Amino acid sequence: GDSVTQMEGPVTLSEEAFLTINCTYTATGYPSLFWYVQYPGEGLQLLLKATKADDKGSNKGFEATYRKETTSFHLEKGSVQVSDSAVYFCALRTNNNDMRFGAGTRLTVKP
Amino acid sequence: GAGVSQSPRYKVAKRGQDVALRCDPISGHVSLFWYQQALGQGPEFLTYFQNEAQLDKSGLPSDRFFAERPEGSVSTLKIQRTQQEDSAVYLCASSLGQGGAFFGQGTRLTVV
Repeated sequence: GDSVTQMEGPVTLSEEAFLTINCTYTATGYPSLFWYVQYPGEGLQLLLKATKADDKGSNKGFEATYRKETTSFHLEKGSVQVSDSAVYFCALRTNNNDMRFGAGTRLTVKP
Repeated sequence: GAGVSQSPRYKVAKRGQDVALRCDPISGHVSLFWYQQALGQGPEFLTYFQNEAQLDKSGLPSDRFFAERPEGSVSTLKIQRTQQEDSAVYLCASSLGQGGAFFGQGTRLTVV
């Protein structure tokens, strides 16, 4: 079935470092792809999305490009801040409309 | 309300007890999802509704789990004869169309 595999964590970076969190997917058809973020003590929030190949989703300095040829949707940010410390989840929405999530990657940014 | 509301926020159940978890989605949202999230893990899909129709229940772990959404709005996830392995955070999410889903704060279930 449709699924998402994301880079295992945890990831620890210094402030202003470059961030990449890898995500690849397996799906029939053309799913929509998402990144969600869960800050400590809070619920899941949609960070960005892309609905078709070559689309780039962006928000709060984060970006991810829907790459059909590599079935990937890697999350990037050029300069992370302490406030970006959270758990990041890659997800896809299948052709049946249900959503599947990766296991999550915990990011800690140190000052 | 402005967001997805779940109740209760916390539930402690004795093993063997039945529990019911409620989800109030964002008004007008057609799609509703239930997920189970164990500590340190990603949300695991349980079931999906489109309006009142349960289109996918492939993620329900056993026949002790039952979900309904009789009027296409509020949904209830029921777990019968709870067991310790049912302890987790149960998340509800809703969406309007093909876009991203909005999540509630979850219900943390602890079975003792």
